[in-house]
Amino acid sequence: KAGVTQTPRYLIKTRGQQVTLSCSPISGHRSVSWYQQTPGQGLQFLFEYFSETQRNKGNFPGRFSGRQFSNSRSEMNVSTLELGDSALYLCASSLPGQSSYNEQFFGPGTRLTVL
Amino acid sequence: AQTVTQSQPEMSVQEAETVTLSCTYDTSESDYYLFWYKQPPSRQMILVIRQEAYKQQNATENRFSVNFQKAAKSFSLKISDSQLGDAAMYFCAYLRSGTYKYIFGTGTRLKVLA
Repeated sequence: KAGVTQTPRYLIKTRGQQVTLSCSPISGHRSVSWYQQTPGQGLQFLFEYFSETQRNKGNFPGRFSGRQFSNSRSEMNVSTLELGDSALYLCASSLPGQSSYNEQFFGPGTRLTVL
Repeated sequence: AQTVTQSQPEMSVQEAETVTLSCTYDTSESDYYLFWYKQPPSRQMILVIRQEAYKQQNATENRFSVNFQKAAKSFSLKISDSQLGDAAMYFCAYLRSGTYKYIFGTGTRLKVLA
């Protein structure tokens, strides 16, 4: 099975622009989560989608948004980019089941640099 | 709010030796899961080990084991017989049962010295 894929892998934008990142989960996985990783902050949860619905949301401003498509692929969008948005954005997919725990499988990430 | 703290930004260990990475967490919940994730320089995070809070027995996966102290809210990772391939960032994470919002610590960078 192919793993979680994220595109693009690297992105350079300037302040004020907007950006869209894409995540394709492992086949059959219906839950997709997004994280922002910065040095010293670790991973911070952005949001989680399941069956095209946002179920959980982290403490990020409204400039960060996402969506999930019927094939479980997900996109996240950041509008009006700020220098502080420079980070590695990680996507993780999981296969929701009976248990309240489902292992997350992470993609390689998209490295966003805002100049 | 739940928090996860990793107080060691960086650790070093000699090849074949044992190292312990620390993690503490804060929660008022009784039903939760704890994890250690490894992020090698290639950046793909992988699960190392997990612990269900209701289980008293410490989880073990080959050379990796945890010391779970529920009352103290401590969850340390022990790596035995360290190998060069163990060099990576290690993240401790918490998940409240029934939710999908993982809370991660800030990570510990492990260096393995040949």
